[in-house]
Amino acid sequence: AQSVTQLDSQVPVFEEAPVELRCNYSSSVSVYLFWYVQYPNQGLQLLLKYLSGSTLVKGINGFEAEFNKSQTSFHLRKPSVHISDTAEYFCAVTEGRFSGGYNKLIFGAGTRLAVHP
Amino acid sequence: DTGVSQDPRHKITKRGQNVTFRCDPISEHNRLYWYRQTLGQGPEFLTYFQNEAQLEKSRLLSDRFSAERPKGSFSTLEIQRTEQGDSAMYLCASSPTAGQGLGNIQYFGAGTRLSVL
Repeated sequence: AQSVTQLDSQVPVFEEAPVELRCNYSSSVSVYLFWYVQYPNQGLQLLLKYLSGSTLVKGINGFEAEFNKSQTSFHLRKPSVHISDTAEYFCAVTEGRFSGGYNKLIFGAGTRLAVHP
Repeated sequence: DTGVSQDPRHKITKRGQNVTFRCDPISEHNRLYWYRQTLGQGPEFLTYFQNEAQLEKSRLLSDRFSAERPKGSFSTLEIQRTEQGDSAMYLCASSPTAGQGLGNIQYFGAGTRLSVL
């Protein structure tokens, strides 16, 4: 069965500092990987995705993530954070298929990023 | 493209009452998902529709829960005889039918927060 582990429940960081949010997954098949952001009392917004191709993927708001198959990781990074990046971040995985078949997302428990001035 | 719309945003009810939530997916998205998110956790899959057919139900979806998607457009999620443990954020997502992983990109609504007193 697939599972996602977000290694840090909370990450405090000062404004303009770099940040890395860690995500590891387990799966016996190929996967698609996602990072979503959730602001208070809102739904989930897609930050970035890995479907295939380059293992370094860039998303919105200056975020990027690197897929590492051997380490089964998909860590999220940003070189310089802003106060507005304060939010909950979720890593998610689903099975990879070329058939276009659907798959439910399996989410990690989330990492709360708190950016301080 | 107006995004996924959910109604109501908040619902407060007394234990034992029935509640119904509505989700309007992105137009032309034939795949629709429901997830439940409890405090401090990532979303958990509840059920999936392709057009009007309900193709998968999680074990989390007890007999008190029912979901429909008449005519393959909007969907409703009903909870009968609510319990305090049903208090959560209920999220709806939709995705297009597309190959090479694009159909696995799910777009979320803002959610309905249910509080059972």
